[in-house]
Amino acid sequence: SQELEQSPQSLIVQEGKNLTINCTSSKTLYGLYWYKQKYGEGLIFLMMLQKGGEEKSHEKITAKLDEKKQQSSLHITASQPSHAGIYLCGADMLRETSGSRLTFGEGTQLTVNP
Amino acid sequence: ETGVTQTPRHLVMGMTNKKSLKCEQHLGHNAMYWYKQSAKKPLELMFVYNFKEQTENNSVPSRFSPECPNSSHLFLHLHTLQPEDSALYLCASSQSGGRGSSYNSPLHFGNGTRLTVT
Repeated sequence: SQELEQSPQSLIVQEGKNLTINCTSSKTLYGLYWYKQKYGEGLIFLMMLQKGGEEKSHEKITAKLDEKKQQSSLHITASQPSHAGIYLCGADMLRETSGSRLTFGEGTQLTVNP
Repeated sequence: ETGVTQTPRHLVMGMTNKKSLKCEQHLGHNAMYWYKQSAKKPLELMFVYNFKEQTENNSVPSRFSPECPNSSHLFLHLHTLQPEDSALYLCASSQSGGRGSSYNSPLHFGNGTRLTVT
């Protein structure tokens, strides 16, 4: 099994709908990073979470790190076709590496139909 | 404009060829990374350089040879690759707090080199 599990693997929604992507670890997370990737391109940094209970928002995207720091969720409100892509979570599994040794999930493929 | 530029974008090479991937970062960062992204698999960390010094080699076969001449440039030299090495190779950079510091800025990625080994 993967160290970092993302669910769902793929998601198809109608434009305007809300959606949530989850990232779960069996270990404590010392930092959790959300990225977005267009097919065949690089990863675009979205948000970083480090403290249990922390929540950050950017435009219509909100990310949370649960109190126990073992799960994060990414929520998109009123989705648009521009939100389509692959969403990846990356995590620090070691206290001392602080973002330099990220373990990634397999990604969630999001399709938004107009 | 991602601040991290990778060339070439696409590369097709035979198993006996020697080629190099190039990465340049324009962000003033002091740490650079190579990641491998294969279909249906999570990103795999290959190499890490901090202040031009290799600090991690994640059990990568010797047919992959990294080079970091300065903090802005990173190369991945390839020779006698196998078809299973076909993947998207991503370069990233970050700002590290240096030795004894646990600080590291989020990784900034390039657009990758799509490598096909025939």
